[in-house]
Amino acid sequence: DAGVTQSPTHLIKTRGQQVTLRCSPISGHKSVSWYQQVLGQGPQFIFQYYEKEERGRGNFPDRFSARQFPNYSSELNVNALLLGDSALYLCASSLYRGRSGNTIYFGEGSWLTVV
Amino acid sequence: AQTVTQSQPEMSVQEAETVTLSCTYDTSESDYYLFWYKQPPSRQMILVIRQEAYKQQNATENRFSVNFQKAAKSFSLKISDSQLGDAAMYFCAYRNNYGGSQGNLIFGKGTKLSVKP
Repeated sequence: DAGVTQSPTHLIKTRGQQVTLRCSPISGHKSVSWYQQVLGQGPQFIFQYYEKEERGRGNFPDRFSARQFPNYSSELNVNALLLGDSALYLCASSLYRGRSGNTIYFGEGSWLTVV
Repeated sequence: AQTVTQSQPEMSVQEAETVTLSCTYDTSESDYYLFWYKQPPSRQMILVIRQEAYKQQNATENRFSVNFQKAAKSFSLKISDSQLGDAAMYFCAYRNNYGGSQGNLIFGKGTKLSVKP
């Protein structure tokens, strides 16, 4: 079975532009979360989606948005890019939220560089 | 709010020796999971081991084991018979099982482990 897949793997954007990152969860997984990992730090939670609804949001500005599609894949959008948005964006999936979906699997991430 | 602290930015171990990575956390919840993830240079997060807070017995996965001290809110990872492939960043992570933040992982800042041949 395929793991969590993310695209693109690397991209370079200019300040002020917009970016869309994509994620396909493991087959059968209904929960998708997004994390931002700045170089030298641990990942920080951005969003969680479960059954196509936003179920959690981290401390990120409104420039960050996401959605989950009927097939449970997800997109993360970032508008008005800043230099500080340069990071590895990780997508993670699990069967469900909470106890019953206790194993969270990560994709390989999308490297975003803002210049 | 929950927090996770890893006080060792870097650790080094000789091949075939044992090393322990430290992690402390803070929470007022009683139902949660703790995890150790490994992140090699490829950057993909790989689950190493997990521990449910309600279980007294420490989790073990082959050469990896944890020392879970719930009262002290401590969750250390022991790697036995260290191998060159163990070299990576190791992240300790916490997750609530209930409530609005259930399912979200809270990570520490990581410990970079080097393995010397």
